[in-house]
Amino acid sequence: GAVVSQHPSRVICKSGTSVKIECRSLDFQATTMFWYRQFPKKSLMLMATSNEGSKATYEQGVEKDKFLINHASLTLSTLTVTSAHPEDSSFYICSASTGDDTGELFFGEGSRLTVL
Amino acid sequence: LAKTTQPISMDSYEGQEVNITCSHNNIATNDYITWYQQFPSQGPRFIIQGYKTKVTNEVASLFIPADRKSSTLSLPRVSLSDTAVYYCLVGDSGSARQLTFGSGTQLTVLP
Repeated sequence: GAVVSQHPSRVICKSGTSVKIECRSLDFQATTMFWYRQFPKKSLMLMATSNEGSKATYEQGVEKDKFLINHASLTLSTLTVTSAHPEDSSFYICSASTGDDTGELFFGEGSRLTVL
Repeated sequence: LAKTTQPISMDSYEGQEVNITCSHNNIATNDYITWYQQFPSQGPRFIIQGYKTKVTNEVASLFIPADRKSSTLSLPRVSLSDTAVYYCLVGDSGSARQLTFGSGTQLTVLP
């Protein structure tokens, strides 16, 4: 099956710094990728839809300037958490679809962000 | 947007068959039903997908009644390693953005 890889899997940073998380589709081209945030023992919450070559579509309540998304190629989307604060600490997950009729999503391994 | 409803949690014992039902009353004609498994601190993993009737693969079966307003994931002979959260999602490629995660079902397999 299709493989999606995230990097880094874990990152610890100081408050006020920016952190970039990469999401790559390894064996397929993904015109659309999705970014989620997950708090402990909670479900995945869709943050934004990343579209190759165009601006991302953010869900209501998600700050565009805080969570910068870039989808510069058909295999790479990045999420940058700018000026991170402790409340941004969370598990971030990306997914991508091959674009077939089923809409099946392939998920990355997730990235655990801890802001001190 | 097809909203899904699942039990919050279920307990089972090793070796038993587990059935998790998901309700999706407003499923659209083009929607597929997909189940994912998630372990702590990992991304969700695809288990099975179906459109109607019954689908079986090496790890699970998916039963979908004729009206498609619900679906049941069946895990045969569960083991401790099947302890995870299971999500049912409904949608198609045209609405991939709207594949909203519900609360999921925390399955705990006991020895």
